Amino acid sequence: GENVEQHPSTLSVQEGDSAVIKCTYSDSASNYFPWYKQELGKRPQLIIDIRSNVGEKKDQRIAVTLNKTAKHFSLHITETQPEDSAVYFCAAMQTGSNYKLTFGKGTLLTVNP
Amino acid sequence: SAVISQKPSRDICQRGTSLTIQCQVDSQVTMMFWYRQQPGQSLTLIATANQGSEATYESGFVIDKFPISRPNLTFSTLTVSNMSPEDSSIYLCSAERGAQETQYFGPGTRLLVL
Repeated sequence: GENVEQHPSTLSVQEGDSAVIKCTYSDSASNYFPWYKQELGKRPQLIIDIRSNVGEKKDQRIAVTLNKTAKHFSLHITETQPEDSAVYFCAAMQTGSNYKLTFGKGTLLTVNP
Repeated sequence: SAVISQKPSRDICQRGTSLTIQCQVDSQVTMMFWYRQQPGQSLTLIATANQGSEATYESGFVIDKFPISRPNLTFSTLTVSNMSPEDSSIYLCSAERGAQETQYFGPGTRLLVL
């Protein structure tokens, strides 16, 4: 089955700096890669996703890049703000199959004012 | 996106009892999923629930312990049976509409077993 590794497990940045979280996956058949943000005590919320026919996707301060050959994808947050502080999870799925998401272990991002 | 609600939001239960968690979606969805999230941990898939068929369980989870119902395209329940303190966790449901294959999560049910 799919295995998703996520690094780092914790990340502390100063407000205004950029943050990068990286994930690798094992199953070359995976073709859908969402990122979720989970604030303390809240549900995971989808913040951005990318499909394997695209190499990069941006949404304001958030971007995701995908390297299919190397089987890794990354989340980039620019101009970080204290409200970006949360746990971020990457995930991988093979669409058209069982639609199961395999999650990474999460990254606790702390943005210091 | 889909709006998903869960009931109860939290509960404290005695060991040996059972709790049924309800998950309601505001629109018809193809697939619903149940996850467990231990404190400070990632999400672990318990099972996939499709309407009109038996739930598909992941390794380490069995139907006798976690029976699931999916009576229609907007609703599902997960029962945690014969609970022990090890079952204390957050249980989350999610749903996707199939075409977009994007999963949205319910708010979760915080379960404490004494």
